[in-house]
Amino acid sequence: DAGVTQSPTHLIKTRGQQVTLRCSPKSGHDTVSWYQQALGQGPQFIFQYYEEEERQRGNFPDRFSGHQFPNYSSELNVNALLLGDSALYLCASSLEPSSFDTQYFGPGTRLTVL
Amino acid sequence: GNSVTQMEGPVTLSEEAFLTINCTYTATGYPSLFWYVQYPGEGLQLLLKATKADDKGSNKGFEATYRKETTSFHLEKGSVQVSDSAVYFCALSDQNQGGKLIFGQGTELSVKP
Repeated sequence: DAGVTQSPTHLIKTRGQQVTLRCSPKSGHDTVSWYQQALGQGPQFIFQYYEEEERQRGNFPDRFSGHQFPNYSSELNVNALLLGDSALYLCASSLEPSSFDTQYFGPGTRLTVL
Repeated sequence: GNSVTQMEGPVTLSEEAFLTINCTYTATGYPSLFWYVQYPGEGLQLLLKATKADDKGSNKGFEATYRKETTSFHLEKGSVQVSDSAVYFCALSDQNQGGKLIFGQGTELSVKP
């Protein structure tokens, strides 16, 4: 049973560029959440997708957008990259958007903005 | 708003020592509480969880008890191993914010042989 997978593993971009990160949830999961983890910090919630809709959003600007596909996979898009967007981006999946449900995390995509 | 506070690291212990990592939380509702572990260069793995007051989560020798009266969820292990060296994150998920995890800042643990 495959766990949560993310691609690419690493990415280097320059300021002002746009980036797309991808996530495939654990088999049987239909809820996907994205988190940003800056170096030495805890992950910060970006947004959550369920039934192809954004259900919740954290305190991130509109430059951060996402999408969920019918097969439950998801993309995170970041426009107009800033140096401060350099971080590990984590995708997590769960059976449903419930506080009781365990979220399973992927290995992350390390984004470096130069 | 909801928040999680962990004891600052790094924590350095000798093998077989007793481990406690303190975690306290603030929540408006009735949260579920989690401990996640992150090994170098990897994503987060769930270590244990508790979904209601007085529940004890346990896994791989680690334990934590959901204490509503002290709003705490301290992580303990009786005898640490070198392989336990990692960063540990305490997190909560409030039932009014279905599934959104709020993390503490993490505590780095280093276990020396």
